[in-house]
Amino acid sequence: DGGITQSPKYLFRKEGQNVTLSCEQNLNHDAMYWYRQDPGQGLRLIYYSQIVNDFQKGDIAEGYSVSREKKESFPLTVTSAQKNPTAFYLCASSTTSQETQYFGPGTRLLVL
Amino acid sequence: AQSVAQPEDQVNVAEGNPLTVKCTYSVSGNPYLFWYVQYPNRGLQFLLKYITGDNLVKGSYGFEAEFNKSQTSFHLKKPSALVSDSALYFCAVRDFGRGSTLGRLYFGRGTQLTVWP
Repeated sequence: DGGITQSPKYLFRKEGQNVTLSCEQNLNHDAMYWYRQDPGQGLRLIYYSQIVNDFQKGDIAEGYSVSREKKESFPLTVTSAQKNPTAFYLCASSTTSQETQYFGPGTRLLVL
Repeated sequence: AQSVAQPEDQVNVAEGNPLTVKCTYSVSGNPYLFWYVQYPNRGLQFLLKYITGDNLVKGSYGFEAEFNKSQTSFHLKKPSALVSDSALYFCAVRDFGRGSTLGRLYFGRGTQLTVWP
């Protein structure tokens, strides 16, 4: 997990509320990614960013939003439009010239 | 389209025995292949990758994987399993398509490895 931090470790969301998950990396990586993990479904890509101020939708972007204002930060907002947000969220980063993605420790989002 | 299949949801093996976790892939060009391991409530840890060269790739914690182009497989192996190897294992393939999909990973659903004493 080293070099990538995610906070909080656990997050509780009330119905109709937007919540933001933090992801920070000190690896000087250009690319950052957000995945959602549900039991038995593996990892699904939500959003990714190859460079600062640019990002693309992944496979399940509906109900989520991101920003990439700084190289080291890629926060994910789970909006009220996401009707089933309970999951384990993983952030990753990689250099654009190196293929390996490195993952943070994850945030578990629960709905009250 | 790129895809990865891990045909076994669970693999059980006795400590000291060899283990294999299977992975097959489908890509349009040359594949870049990865194995990751996940312990409960933790992020994924990188184990090893195949880019080019020797078909047998050695990685962390005594794991290795064999790339077989004709069978489009990249099975993870270890000669002697440990109880501490019990975890969830993911195979992934890198997409090098054009445009905005450049560089994204496609993951399999994961295989739960249980090593019993």
